[in-house]
Amino acid sequence: TQLLEQSPQFLSIQEGENLTVYCNSSSVFSSLQWYRQEPGEGPVLLVTVVTGGEVKKLKRLTFQFGDARKDSSLHITAAQPGDTGLYLCAGEQSGGSNYKLTFGKGTLLTVNP
Amino acid sequence: GAVVSQHPSWVICKSGTSVKIECRSLDFQATTMFWYRQFPKQSLMLMATSNEGSKATYEQGVEKDKFLINHASLTLSTLTVTSAHPEDSSFYICSARTVNNQPQHFGDGTRLSIL
Repeated sequence: TQLLEQSPQFLSIQEGENLTVYCNSSSVFSSLQWYRQEPGEGPVLLVTVVTGGEVKKLKRLTFQFGDARKDSSLHITAAQPGDTGLYLCAGEQSGGSNYKLTFGKGTLLTVNP
Repeated sequence: GAVVSQHPSWVICKSGTSVKIECRSLDFQATTMFWYRQFPKQSLMLMATSNEGSKATYEQGVEKDKFLINHASLTLSTLTVTSAHPEDSSFYICSARTVNNQPQHFGDGTRLSIL
């Protein structure tokens, strides 16, 4: 069962356009992380959101954590070709000695010049 | 800080060979390390979680006898793919974290190709 539904799976846009990636779940997460991965490399952490309703900004990227801590979104303003990559959301569920990071299927973003 | 080094970055070998992949935390002590598998244009799938000095916990469907994990020190974990076959070809990524409430830090992955 896929705990994290990420959409869209593929996105191809022109430079300068805005976009939003969604990450939804029926489960509550203690935190949610967004990563960006380039081909042949490991994922790089962009942000961690912890509090319900939290909004974090990283230059042209805006991350939001849902009030119920079940969903999150990533909004990119004025996308640039350098934003091209695989964006992954990952929810953390932890309790006692159990800790697990569950990844969404990813959004492959292509920004065309 | 928080650099995770994975070696080798690319390996090609014949079917039936066993392959060892190393994951090292270079500037921190990793109490927990994770091994993921990723197919082209897909997400990361957790294979196993290992805590230093104890046996790894494998996810459902992952063969523990095929994917041997050793976490003998706080800075090194190894994944050995035993008797590898073409279907084992994939991108294997490790990550490491120190203590609770800290994020995982990922290595750059190992591209494994079995001929």
